[in-house]
Amino acid sequence: DAKTTQPTSMDCAEGRAANLPCNHSTISGNEYVYWYRQIHSQGPQYIIHGLKNNETNEMASLIITEDRKSSTLILPHATLRDTAVYYCIAADFGNEKLTFGTGTRLTIIP
Amino acid sequence: GAGVSQSPSNKVTEKGKDVELRCDPISGHTALYWYRQSLGQGLEFLIYFQGNSAPDKSGLPSDRFSAERTGGSVSTLTIQRTQQEDSAVYLCASSGFTGFPQETQYFGPGTRLLVL
Repeated sequence: DAKTTQPTSMDCAEGRAANLPCNHSTISGNEYVYWYRQIHSQGPQYIIHGLKNNETNEMASLIITEDRKSSTLILPHATLRDTAVYYCIAADFGNEKLTFGTGTRLTIIP
Repeated sequence: GAGVSQSPSNKVTEKGKDVELRCDPISGHTALYWYRQSLGQGLEFLIYFQGNSAPDKSGLPSDRFSAERTGGSVSTLTIQRTQQEDSAVYLCASSGFTGFPQETQYFGPGTRLLVL
């Protein structure tokens, strides 16, 4: 699986959009970009995934650059409950083993 | 229940003792995964079950670790002769694997293991 690089921590004001970057410059053509988050003392929670097109669901939007070497997870209106560690994962097609890095610790500020 | 459940939620044991951790996946999910997360670290893959296929044990750190999945549903992770470095949160996940693309994994709350 491609290695991903994320900032260690970020702050965002409540009600604003939280933009979490991820670099995956060695991503291969078969690898999807997945985002999970882990709220304190809970198991990871799936957020969204994509291959090359931008994706949106009820939780977030995923913007993938045209060269697929980086992506951004957008939480459009951050709330205090969005405080968590966010993991960006590049997972190969057919690879069931997700490799989690240390993620970005996002803190939403009231 | 609607989600993945794990038991016990917390386990404290003495070095050298054996422990068993249980995972109940989401009903109907064919794939089951075990991960562990040490303090301040990311998740480390341990083992993966898919249907009746032989499990992928490539992530098990030593032969003290083993796992079973009975009847294609409940799974038990066993750690024999526990060591202090086994202290971690052990997370179970399940997915309705259909092959393309990788199905979303749904995680349980984890079992916090402390080896004294």
